[in-house]
Amino acid sequence: GENVEQHPSTLSVQEGDSAVIKCTYSDSASNYFPWYKQELGKGPQLIIDIRSNVGEKKDQRIAVTLNKTAKHFSLHITETQPEDSAVYFCAASTDRGSTLGRLYFGRGTQLTVWP
Amino acid sequence: EAQVTQNPRYLITVTGKKLTVTCSQNMNHEYMSWYRQDPGLGLRQIYYSMNVEVTDKGDVPEGYKVSRKEKRNFPLILESPSPNQTSLYFCASFDFQEAFFGQGTRLTVV
Repeated sequence: GENVEQHPSTLSVQEGDSAVIKCTYSDSASNYFPWYKQELGKGPQLIIDIRSNVGEKKDQRIAVTLNKTAKHFSLHITETQPEDSAVYFCAASTDRGSTLGRLYFGRGTQLTVWP
Repeated sequence: EAQVTQNPRYLITVTGKKLTVTCSQNMNHEYMSWYRQDPGLGLRQIYYSMNVEVTDKGDVPEGYKVSRKEKRNFPLILESPSPNQTSLYFCASFDFQEAFFGQGTRLTVV
Protein backbone atom coordinates (compact mmCIF):
# COMPACT_ATOMS: atom_id res chain seq x y z
CA GLY A 1 0.00 0.00 0.00
CA GLU A 2 0.90 3.67 -0.06
CA ASN A 3 3.32 5.15 2.51
CA VAL A 4 3.21 8.88 3.20
CA GLU A 5 6.01 10.51 5.20
CA GLN A 6 5.57 14.03 6.60
CA HIS A 7 8.17 16.44 8.00
CA PRO A 8 8.65 18.20 10.30
CA SER A 9 6.49 16.88 13.13
CA THR A 10 6.55 20.28 14.85
CA LEU A 11 7.16 23.73 13.41
CA SER A 12 7.29 27.07 15.21
CA VAL A 13 7.38 30.35 13.31
CA GLN A 14 7.00 34.02 14.08
CA GLU A 15 3.86 35.74 12.88
CA GLY A 16 4.41 37.04 9.36
CA ASP A 17 7.04 34.44 8.48
CA SER A 18 6.48 31.60 6.01
CA ALA A 19 5.98 27.95 6.92
CA VAL A 20 6.71 24.93 4.75
CA ILE A 21 5.63 21.35 5.40
CA LYS A 22 6.92 18.54 3.20
CA CYS A 23 5.56 15.10 2.35
CA THR A 24 6.78 12.18 0.29
CA TYR A 25 4.77 9.26 -1.04
CA SER A 26 5.74 5.84 -2.33
CA ASP A 27 3.04 4.72 -4.80
CA SER A 28 3.48 6.19 -8.27
CA ALA A 29 -0.22 5.46 -8.94
CA SER A 30 -1.27 8.12 -6.41
CA ASN A 31 -2.63 11.14 -8.23
CA TYR A 32 -4.53 13.21 -5.67
CA PHE A 33 -2.85 15.03 -2.78
CA PRO A 34 -4.99 16.93 -0.27
CA TRP A 35 -3.98 18.87 2.83
CA TYR A 36 -6.11 18.94 5.95
CA LYS A 37 -6.01 21.37 8.87
CA GLN A 38 -7.07 20.24 12.32
CA GLU A 39 -7.81 22.95 14.86
CA LEU A 40 -7.87 22.14 18.54
CA GLY A 41 -10.92 20.06 19.50
CA LYS A 42 -12.13 19.65 15.92
CA GLY A 43 -11.96 17.18 13.10
CA PRO A 44 -9.60 17.76 10.15
CA GLN A 45 -10.84 20.01 7.34
CA LEU A 46 -9.69 20.16 3.75
CA ILE A 47 -7.78 23.38 3.00
CA ILE A 48 -6.24 22.74 -0.41
CA ASP A 49 -5.56 19.88 -2.77
CA ILE A 50 -3.65 19.17 -5.95
CA ARG A 51 -3.93 16.59 -8.67
CA SER A 52 -0.99 15.09 -10.49
CA ASN A 53 -1.67 16.93 -13.74
CA VAL A 54 -0.55 20.24 -12.20
CA GLY A 55 2.66 21.28 -10.44
CA GLU A 56 1.38 24.08 -8.23
CA LYS A 57 -1.86 25.45 -6.85
CA LYS A 58 -2.48 28.61 -4.84
CA ASP A 59 -5.30 29.85 -2.69
CA GLN A 60 -4.60 33.21 -1.09
CA ARG A 61 -1.83 32.64 1.50
CA ILE A 62 -1.51 28.90 1.00
CA ALA A 63 0.02 27.01 -1.89
CA VAL A 64 0.85 23.42 -2.65
CA THR A 65 3.57 22.18 -4.98
CA LEU A 66 3.96 18.70 -6.43
CA ASN A 67 7.01 16.98 -7.91
CA LYS A 68 5.79 13.71 -9.43
CA THR A 69 9.23 12.56 -10.46
CA ALA A 70 10.59 12.84 -6.93
CA LYS A 71 7.26 11.80 -5.39
CA HIS A 72 7.07 14.72 -3.01
CA PHE A 73 4.66 17.56 -2.36
CA SER A 74 4.74 20.54 -0.04
CA LEU A 75 2.43 23.00 1.68
CA HIS A 76 3.53 26.63 1.82
CA ILE A 77 1.87 29.17 4.08
CA THR A 78 2.95 32.79 3.66
CA GLU A 79 2.42 35.70 6.06
CA THR A 80 1.49 33.32 8.85
CA GLN A 81 -1.03 34.41 11.47
CA PRO A 82 -1.76 33.02 14.96
CA GLU A 83 -4.98 31.45 13.61
CA ASP A 84 -2.83 29.29 11.31
CA SER A 85 -1.72 27.41 14.44
CA ALA A 86 -3.06 23.86 14.05
CA VAL A 87 -2.09 20.32 13.09
CA TYR A 88 -1.67 19.88 9.34
CA PHE A 89 -1.98 16.52 7.60
CA CYS A 90 -0.91 15.67 4.09
CA ALA A 91 -2.51 12.72 2.31
CA ALA A 92 -2.27 10.76 -0.91
CA SER A 93 -4.91 8.89 -2.83
CA THR A 94 -5.77 7.43 -6.18
CA ASP A 95 -8.59 9.37 -7.78
CA ARG A 96 -10.69 6.73 -9.47
CA GLY A 97 -12.99 9.05 -11.36
CA SER A 98 -16.39 8.76 -9.70
CA THR A 99 -15.12 7.92 -6.24
CA LEU A 100 -12.29 9.09 -4.04
CA GLY A 101 -9.86 6.29 -3.37
CA ARG A 102 -8.53 5.43 0.05
CA LEU A 103 -6.73 8.36 1.70
CA TYR A 104 -3.31 7.64 3.18
CA PHE A 105 -2.35 10.27 5.74
CA GLY A 106 1.00 11.53 6.93
CA ARG A 107 1.60 11.69 10.68
CA GLY A 108 0.84 15.38 10.96
CA THR A 109 2.73 18.62 11.67
CA GLN A 110 1.93 20.77 14.68
CA LEU A 111 2.38 24.36 13.47
CA THR A 112 2.62 27.08 16.10
CA VAL A 113 2.63 30.72 15.04
CA TRP A 114 3.92 33.09 17.74
CA PRO A 115 2.57 36.65 17.79
CA GLU B 1 -25.96 22.03 6.74
CA ALA B 2 -23.68 19.20 5.55
CA GLN B 3 -22.26 17.39 8.53
CA VAL B 4 -20.94 14.22 10.11
CA THR B 5 -22.20 13.69 13.65
CA GLN B 6 -20.47 11.46 16.15
CA ASN B 7 -21.69 10.52 19.59
CA PRO B 8 -20.62 10.59 22.29
CA ARG B 9 -17.92 13.28 22.22
CA TYR B 10 -16.29 11.95 25.39
CA LEU B 11 -16.49 8.50 26.94
CA ILE B 12 -14.75 6.87 29.89
CA THR B 13 -15.37 3.16 30.23
CA VAL B 14 -13.93 0.09 31.91
CA THR B 15 -12.05 -2.77 30.32
CA GLY B 16 -14.34 -5.35 28.75
CA LYS B 17 -17.57 -3.33 28.71
CA LYS B 18 -18.98 -3.28 25.19
CA LEU B 19 -19.55 0.13 23.68
CA THR B 20 -20.74 1.68 20.43
CA VAL B 21 -19.74 5.03 18.95
CA THR B 22 -22.32 6.26 16.51
CA CYS B 23 -21.65 8.15 13.28
CA SER B 24 -24.23 9.68 10.99
CA GLN B 25 -23.88 11.77 7.81
CA ASN B 26 -26.51 13.77 5.94
CA MET B 27 -24.73 14.08 2.59
CA ASN B 28 -25.83 10.78 1.03
CA HIS B 29 -22.20 9.69 0.70
CA GLU B 30 -21.49 6.08 -0.13
CA TYR B 31 -17.96 5.96 1.29
CA MET B 32 -17.42 6.25 5.05
CA SER B 33 -14.46 5.47 7.29
CA TRP B 34 -13.29 5.33 10.90
CA TYR B 35 -9.89 6.58 12.06
CA ARG B 36 -8.06 6.70 15.33
CA GLN B 37 -5.64 9.50 16.14
CA ASP B 38 -2.77 8.95 18.54
CA PRO B 39 0.12 11.33 19.34
CA GLY B 40 2.94 10.93 16.83
CA LEU B 41 1.02 8.37 14.76
CA GLY B 42 -1.38 10.60 12.88
CA LEU B 43 -4.67 9.26 11.51
CA ARG B 44 -4.83 5.50 11.12
CA GLN B 45 -7.72 3.88 9.33
CA ILE B 46 -9.66 1.27 11.31
CA TYR B 47 -12.45 0.22 8.94
CA TYR B 48 -14.12 1.66 5.89
CA SER B 49 -17.31 1.09 3.94
CA MET B 50 -17.83 1.70 0.25
CA ASN B 51 -21.60 1.26 0.47
CA VAL B 52 -24.44 -0.34 2.44
CA GLU B 53 -23.46 -3.83 3.63
CA VAL B 54 -19.94 -3.39 2.18
CA THR B 55 -17.21 -2.98 4.79
CA ASP B 56 -13.49 -3.71 4.85
CA LYS B 57 -10.53 -3.57 7.20
CA GLY B 58 -8.17 -0.64 7.31
CA ASP B 59 -4.71 -0.64 8.87
CA VAL B 60 -5.64 -1.20 12.53
CA PRO B 61 -8.91 -3.23 12.65
CA GLU B 62 -8.09 -5.52 15.60
CA GLY B 63 -10.55 -5.15 18.47
CA TYR B 64 -13.13 -3.23 16.42
CA LYS B 65 -16.27 -4.04 14.46
CA VAL B 66 -18.44 -1.94 12.19
CA SER B 67 -21.76 -2.28 10.44
CA ARG B 68 -23.39 -0.42 7.54
CA LYS B 69 -27.07 -1.28 7.47
CA GLU B 70 -28.11 2.05 6.01
CA LYS B 71 -26.22 4.65 4.02
CA ARG B 72 -26.24 7.42 6.59
CA ASN B 73 -25.02 5.47 9.65
CA PHE B 74 -21.70 3.77 10.29
CA PRO B 75 -21.30 2.76 13.95
CA LEU B 76 -18.01 1.64 15.48
CA ILE B 77 -18.32 -1.21 17.97
CA LEU B 78 -15.79 -2.21 20.62
CA GLU B 79 -16.92 -5.62 21.87
CA SER B 80 -14.37 -5.84 24.70
CA PRO B 81 -12.46 -2.55 25.02
CA SER B 82 -8.91 -2.59 26.34
CA PRO B 83 -6.69 0.27 27.59
CA ASN B 84 -4.71 0.30 24.32
CA GLN B 85 -7.90 1.45 22.58
CA THR B 86 -7.78 4.71 24.52
CA SER B 87 -7.63 7.22 21.69
CA LEU B 88 -9.33 9.99 19.76
CA TYR B 89 -11.67 8.54 17.13
CA PHE B 90 -12.93 10.21 13.96
CA CYS B 91 -15.61 9.18 11.56
CA ALA B 92 -15.46 10.56 8.01
CA SER B 93 -17.62 10.44 4.93
CA PHE B 94 -16.32 11.08 1.45
CA ASP B 95 -17.48 12.61 -1.77
CA PHE B 96 -15.46 12.75 -4.97
CA GLN B 97 -13.37 15.67 -3.77
CA GLU B 98 -13.17 15.63 -0.02
CA ALA B 99 -13.33 13.80 3.31
CA PHE B 100 -15.74 15.32 5.84
CA PHE B 101 -14.82 14.53 9.42
CA GLY B 102 -16.92 14.42 12.54
CA GLN B 103 -15.92 16.31 15.69
CA GLY B 104 -14.24 13.29 17.23
CA THR B 105 -14.85 10.98 20.18
CA ARG B 106 -12.33 10.99 23.01
CA LEU B 107 -12.39 7.45 24.45
CA THR B 108 -10.64 6.43 27.66
CA VAL B 109 -10.59 2.77 28.70
CA VAL B 110 -9.52 2.16 32.31
